[in-house]
Amino acid sequence: EPEVTQTPSHQVTQMGQEVILRCVPISNHLYFYWYRQILGQKVEFLVSFYNNEISEKSEIFDDQFSVERPDGSNFTLKIRSTKLEDSAMYFCASTREAGSYNEQFFGPGTRLTVL
Amino acid sequence: KNQVEQSPQSLIILEGKNCTLQCNYTVSPFSNLRWYKQDTGRGPVSLTIMTFSENTKSNGRYTATLDADTKQSSLHITASQLSDSASYICVVTGTGGFKTIFGAGTRLFVKA
Repeated sequence: EPEVTQTPSHQVTQMGQEVILRCVPISNHLYFYWYRQILGQKVEFLVSFYNNEISEKSEIFDDQFSVERPDGSNFTLKIRSTKLEDSAMYFCASTREAGSYNEQFFGPGTRLTVL
Repeated sequence: KNQVEQSPQSLIILEGKNCTLQCNYTVSPFSNLRWYKQDTGRGPVSLTIMTFSENTKSNGRYTATLDADTKQSSLHITASQLSDSASYICVVTGTGGFKTIFGAGTRLFVKA
């Protein structure tokens, strides 16, 4: 069964460093998303992406964040200068079609720890 | 303000028992409501999805209900199993743009 994959599973970085979180969405999916979940808190939407453009982003997704689909399979989230409060689980998700009724398939997440 | 509130925060039940989890929301205008199961350290997995015209939706031992008038939903789990131990998250999406709000989840513990 096809699934969303994410690498690395755990990333530890120093405050101020840049990190890139990688996701490989399901191959025939066209819409991609990033979410984060701070430990013990609810999942929060960051950004949605379609046709090489950001479709929607939340207030959390400030200038420190960027997304890219560098090739036909990867979807990345970059945090330019990490802060302690960026420590969280980051989930990638994808859907085949537009519209929130379509099921989003989530990856296993990357746990980011900023020291 | 768009909000999704879930109760209880956590729940402990014995294996084989039934339980019901609650979700109240204020997201408007409303598009759909989804229940997810999230195992510890894993991504959420969709259980059910309902639009405003649907009152109930089942997926195996999981049955979700929706009352769009009172803006309430419930997830009923029948004959619980140890593997049901997880967080159950209610997610509500509004119309007019991608506005998806996650609830904080109910942490369910099923004990033998």
